[in-house]
Amino acid sequence: KQEVTQIPAALSVPEGENLVLNCSFTDSAIYNLQWFRQDPGKGLTSLLLIQSSQREQTSGRLNASLDKSSGRSTLYIAASQPGDSATYLCAVITGGFKTIFGAGTRLFVKA
Amino acid sequence: EAQVTQNPRYLITVTGKKLTVTCSQNMNHEYMSWYRQDPGLGLRQIYYSMNVEVTDKGDVPEGYKVSRKEKRNFPLILESPSPNQTSLYFCASSLTAGGPYNEQFFGPGTRLTVL
Repeated sequence: KQEVTQIPAALSVPEGENLVLNCSFTDSAIYNLQWFRQDPGKGLTSLLLIQSSQREQTSGRLNASLDKSSGRSTLYIAASQPGDSATYLCAVITGGFKTIFGAGTRLFVKA
Repeated sequence: EAQVTQNPRYLITVTGKKLTVTCSQNMNHEYMSWYRQDPGLGLRQIYYSMNVEVTDKGDVPEGYKVSRKEKRNFPLILESPSPNQTSLYFCASSLTAGGPYNEQFFGPGTRLTVL
């Protein structure tokens, strides 16, 4: 059974710092991996989607990588800002088209 | 505007009273899905649908029903709600399940309380 783990569970950094969020999954038979952002009490906003055949995707200050063979993805946030404070979630779509989410990393960026 | 809509956004009900939460998307997406989010348990998939008349169970389907009679709509039905179904529910859709067009877009959520 596919399991998705995110480390760390919470992170507090000063403004301007570059940071890395980690996502690992137990079964490499995935179609894609997607990173989301969720603000308190709000819905999910899609940040980046990486297909299983891709190694990385970039959008602005965000860069996500995928190493399917080792079951890992990282989300790199450059020059963090207070507005980046949110919970970051990763999700994989499995070979059976189920979607499995990690528990998330709560990020707080201090001004 | 391309979007996923859910109704109602908030609902308080009593045990055993059947309810339906609607989900609609205007993007001609094939894949639709329902999730529940609970503190400490994260987001868990309830049911998903690959296309019209094609549905399958996610990780937590007990106590829920779905139907997909039209491409744009994917209602979630609780025939006899119980307090343990109190949760925040999200609907999502993507163009396809596999392939390069499977970025999922989420609705705003429905907060359900079952007394």
